[in-house]
Amino acid sequence: KQEVTQIPAALSVPEGENLVLNCSFTDSAIYNLQWFRQDPGKGLTSLLLIQSSQREQTSGRLNASLDKSSGRSTLYIAASQPGDSATYLCAVITGTASKLTFGTGTRLQVTL
Amino acid sequence: GAGVSQSPRYKVAKRGQDVALRCDPISGHVSLFWYQQALGQGPEFLTYFQNEAQLDKSGLPSDRFFAERPEGSVSTLKIQRTQQEDSAVYLCASSIPRGKLFFGSGTQLSVL
Repeated sequence: KQEVTQIPAALSVPEGENLVLNCSFTDSAIYNLQWFRQDPGKGLTSLLLIQSSQREQTSGRLNASLDKSSGRSTLYIAASQPGDSATYLCAVITGTASKLTFGTGTRLQVTL
Repeated sequence: GAGVSQSPRYKVAKRGQDVALRCDPISGHVSLFWYQQALGQGPEFLTYFQNEAQLDKSGLPSDRFFAERPEGSVSTLKIQRTQQEDSAVYLCASSIPRGKLFFGSGTQLSVL
């Protein structure tokens, strides 16, 4: 059974810092990995999707990397802003399944 | 529509009541998922549809939970004889097969 872990559970950084969020998964036979953002009381917004054959994806100040063999992904946020404050979740599709398995998320606070 | 729409946004039920939660996916998305999210946790998979076919219901916690998508578009998640442990946010998402998931804002269910 696929298990997804995210470390740290919570993170507080001052504005302008670069930061890295970590995601690990136990079954490396993934089809793709997705990073989501969730604001309080809201649904999830997809940030980046990495196919299993890819090493990284970039969107603006966000860069996600994937090391499938070691079961790890990182989300790099450059020059953090208070508007980046949210919970960040990673999720994987494993094997031939269609469903996503989620981690528990990292709650990020960017302070002024 | 422009996005995934869920209704109601909030639902308060007395223990033992039946509830029905609605999801309107993005037009043309054949895949539809229901997830349950407890406070401070990542979403947990409940069930998956491809068009009108329910291909995976392995995440439904008991036979009190029932989902349908009769015409391959709108879906309804029904919970019979609600219990306090059913209190959670219920998220619906849609996608093209194994693609990027688009989530609705969720229905927050509180069972008193």
